[in-house]
Amino acid sequence: QVQVVQSGAEVKKPGASVKISCKASGYTFTSYYMHLVRQAPGQGLEWMGIISPSDGSTSYTQKFQGRVTMTRDTSTNTVYMELNSLTSEDTAVYYCGRSWSDYVGYWGQGTLVTVSS
Amino acid sequence: SSELTQDPAVSVALGQTVRITCQGDSLRSYYASWYQQKPGQAPVLVIYGKNNRPSGIPDRFSGSSSGNTASLTITGAQAEDEADYYCNSRDSSGSWVFGGGTKLTVL
Repeated sequence: QVQVVQSGAEVKKPGASVKISCKASGYTFTSYYMHLVRQAPGQGLEWMGIISPSDGSTSYTQKFQGRVTMTRDTSTNTVYMELNSLTSEDTAVYYCGRSWSDYVGYWGQGTLVTVSS
Repeated sequence: SSELTQDPAVSVALGQTVRITCQGDSLRSYYASWYQQKPGQAPVLVIYGKNNRPSGIPDRFSGSSSGNTASLTITGAQAEDEADYYCNSRDSSGSWVFGGGTKLTVL
C-alpha cells in the first residue's frame, strides 16, 4: 500500500536550517508529484511547494521562494525539504503528501519542527 | 495568488445534513478538493474533482460547485464526522491553496 513516512521531530534555534525527509513506498516513486504542506499550532493548512520526483523540478509558493528547497533521491525513494533562516513563525507540523491526479491523495504522518531559542 | 474563504465554524445536529462552503475566484476554473482532519492526525482526502470519493469514504459525503463557490455536504452527519474540513484548489499561478478551514461540531 502507498506509504509516506517522514523523519522525526526537530528542535532548531532561530536562524538555523532544518531538513526533513519523506520516504515513499508502495508505488512507483517517479510517477507521482510530492507536495509540501505545513500547519502551525492551532492554525490551518498552508501549501508550500511541490516536486516532481521524475526530473526534480520544483514549484514553491511565493511566500517561501528563496527559503525552501525540495530535492529527491530516486535511489532511496525519498524527498527532502530544507527550510532556511528559521524563525518562531516556522514552528509547525510539516507534511509531505503524494499527489493523486490534481490532489494530495496520501499524506505522511507529519514532522513537528519547533523553533526556539 | 488566490484565496479560498471558509466559515470558521459550523454545527449540525446528529443525523442532520450540513453544508460547508468554500469561496474563491479560482473555483470558477478549478474543482475544489476537500480534506477532513481530526485532532492530532494528518488530513484525509474526502472529496475530489466534480464529486468523487476516494475508496473508504462514506457516501454521506458529497461535493458540488457553482460559480465561485464549492460545497461539501454531509447527509446524515455522524459523531465521527466532527473534525476540521479544508478546501483546496489551484490558483492562477499554478500553485495550490487551502481555505482557512471549517470546524464542524456535531451536536
